[in-house]
Amino acid sequence: DQQVKQNSPSLSVQEGRISILNCDYTNSMFDYFLWYKKYPAEGPTFLISISSIKDKNEDGRFTVFLNKSAKHLSLHIVPSQPGDSAVYFCAAMTSGTYKYIFGTGTRLKVLA
Amino acid sequence: DADVTQTPRNRITKTGKRIMLECSQTKGHDRMYWYRQDPGLGLRLIYYSFDVKDINKGEISDGYSVSRQAQAKFSLSLESAIPNQTALYFCATSEWTSGANVLTFGAGSRLTVL
Repeated sequence: DQQVKQNSPSLSVQEGRISILNCDYTNSMFDYFLWYKKYPAEGPTFLISISSIKDKNEDGRFTVFLNKSAKHLSLHIVPSQPGDSAVYFCAAMTSGTYKYIFGTGTRLKVLA
Repeated sequence: DADVTQTPRNRITKTGKRIMLECSQTKGHDRMYWYRQDPGLGLRLIYYSFDVKDINKGEISDGYSVSRQAQAKFSLSLESAIPNQTALYFCATSEWTSGANVLTFGAGSRLTVL
């Protein structure tokens, strides 16, 4: 049973436009969420987090939105740059467990 | 030097062989994890450890074992490798920062079982 789902395996966006990556979860006990970016031949690197007490968190070009009632979060990248081309994973955790469940990833391609 | 170092980076082995993947960290974190990545399946948790004496099974622990030799070292073993264990394996540590328990990953160990 996939508790964290990223239903879009891939996404292409023009440079300078907005990229929106989506993530859905089924476990209502999840209260911390992370986004990671992964380049080929490298480990995933942390991008941004959000806890369930917030509905938005922003860090530079990256903004994460959380809709708890819909069990949905999204990562917005504005403006998108070619260097943003990578696989993006969302991950969810229940506080106190210290273990994350990851989604299957979305491959973003930013076209110059 | 990387904060989380994995060895070997690439390994090809045969069915039935014992294989060990090693992980060491310089971050001084207590929590360490092993994940595997498969195409279309994302990252799945194999084992995790909160300190030297605390080791826990993750989502897919069957066929794997781990050893936490010290705070800085966490190794993953496949006692008798099989082809469906062919995958990319990641070690990670975690700390509470940026308002969350953030994982720091190694560069990965690509394992091929023939």
